[in-house]
Amino acid sequence: ETGVTQSPTHLIKTRGQQVTLRCSSQSGHNTVSWYQQALGQGPQFIFQYYREEENGRGNFPPRFSGLQFPNYSSELNVNALELDDSALYLCASSPLAGAQETQYFGPGTRLLVL
Amino acid sequence: GDSVTQMEGPVTLSEEAFLTINCTYTATGYPSLFWYVQYPGEGLQLLLKATKADDKGSNKGFEATYRKETTSFHLEKGSVQVSDSAVYFCALGDAGGTSYGKLTFGQGTILTVHP
Repeated sequence: ETGVTQSPTHLIKTRGQQVTLRCSSQSGHNTVSWYQQALGQGPQFIFQYYREEENGRGNFPPRFSGLQFPNYSSELNVNALELDDSALYLCASSPLAGAQETQYFGPGTRLLVL
Repeated sequence: GDSVTQMEGPVTLSEEAFLTINCTYTATGYPSLFWYVQYPGEGLQLLLKATKADDKGSNKGFEATYRKETTSFHLEKGSVQVSDSAVYFCALGDAGGTSYGKLTFGQGTILTVHP
């Protein structure tokens, strides 16, 4: 069984640019959540997608947006990059969307904004 | 809103020592509780979970009991190994009436185990 995969592993962008991060969910999982982990901190919830619809959102501005595709893979898009967007971006998938569900994390994409 | 507080680290132990990492939470409703571990350069792996009061989660010698009366979910292991060196995160699964499973994480505790 293939776990959660993310691409790319590392990325360097400059302030003001746009970036797209990709995530393939674990087989059989229809829910994908995205988190931002700044250095030395715990992950912060960005949003969750369930069956191709945004199902919940954390305290992130609208320039953070996403998509989920029919195969349940997902993208995170960030526009107008700021220096503070430098972080590890984690994708997690789960069989369903509920609070009791275990979320299985990918290895992350490390984004550096210069 | 929901929040999770972990004991401040880093924690440094000798091999075979007893480990406790404290975790307390604030939440509305009845959340699910999780411990995740992050090894250097990797994503998060689920270590254990508990979904209701008095449940005990356990895995790989680690244990944690969901204590509603003290709003705690402390992580314990009787005898740590060098390979347990990692960052440990306590997390709360949102149960405030939403339909989605947002996780709220603590700040993480760095554990280093010396031979």
